[in-house]
Amino acid sequence: GENVEQHPSTLSVQEGDSAVIKCTYSDSASNYFPWYKQELGKGPQLIIDIRSNVGEKKDQRIAVTLNKTAKHFSLHITETQPEDSAVYFCAASRLGSGTYKYIFGTGTRLKVLA
Amino acid sequence: NAGVTQTPKFRVLKTGQSMTLLCAQDMNHEYMYWYRQDPGMGLRLIHYSVGEGTTAKGEVPDGYNVSRLKKQNFLLGLESAAPSQTSVYFCASSTPLAPIQYFGAGTRLSVL
Repeated sequence: GENVEQHPSTLSVQEGDSAVIKCTYSDSASNYFPWYKQELGKGPQLIIDIRSNVGEKKDQRIAVTLNKTAKHFSLHITETQPEDSAVYFCAASRLGSGTYKYIFGTGTRLKVLA
Repeated sequence: NAGVTQTPKFRVLKTGQSMTLLCAQDMNHEYMYWYRQDPGMGLRLIHYSVGEGTTAKGEVPDGYNVSRLKKQNFLLGLESAAPSQTSVYFCASSTPLAPIQYFGAGTRLSVL
């Protein structure tokens, strides 16, 4: 079945440094790729997403890049801050049976050290 | 701005007991989803609904039943809980043909 591999599983960076999380997907028909941030005890919250017709998207300190040929996409966080510490999930999805069903990666625990 | 609300937040069951998890959304979303989250496995889709009165199986539906009697509510039932169902359960909702899903805060369930 379809799957999404996410690396690394844990990542520690110094405050102010950049963090990069990478995901690879198997279903070539996937056309929507969201990134979610999950803080302790809370539900996942969308932080940025990208569609397959776009190669890169940026929102302030956060950016996502997509390489459709290689079937991988990455989350880039610049100038990291302690409040960026959380678990980040990538997902790949496509429209099927009337709705977008997500296949999630296994998550990356990011620690930003002050 | 309630969004997606899940009740209860925590629950401990004994093996064989039954319970229902409630998800309510106030965004008038047509689509609703139930996921489970286990360590090292990300979120996996249990069941979903594309409208009132409709439900469909996801990736891991065994041992669970769902009902969508009202548009704003999506119930997840465990008829005979097993230790393998110890997990954190998340509900999400979305609009038709729009890919963004909005998640609740989760229900942490332990089955002893």
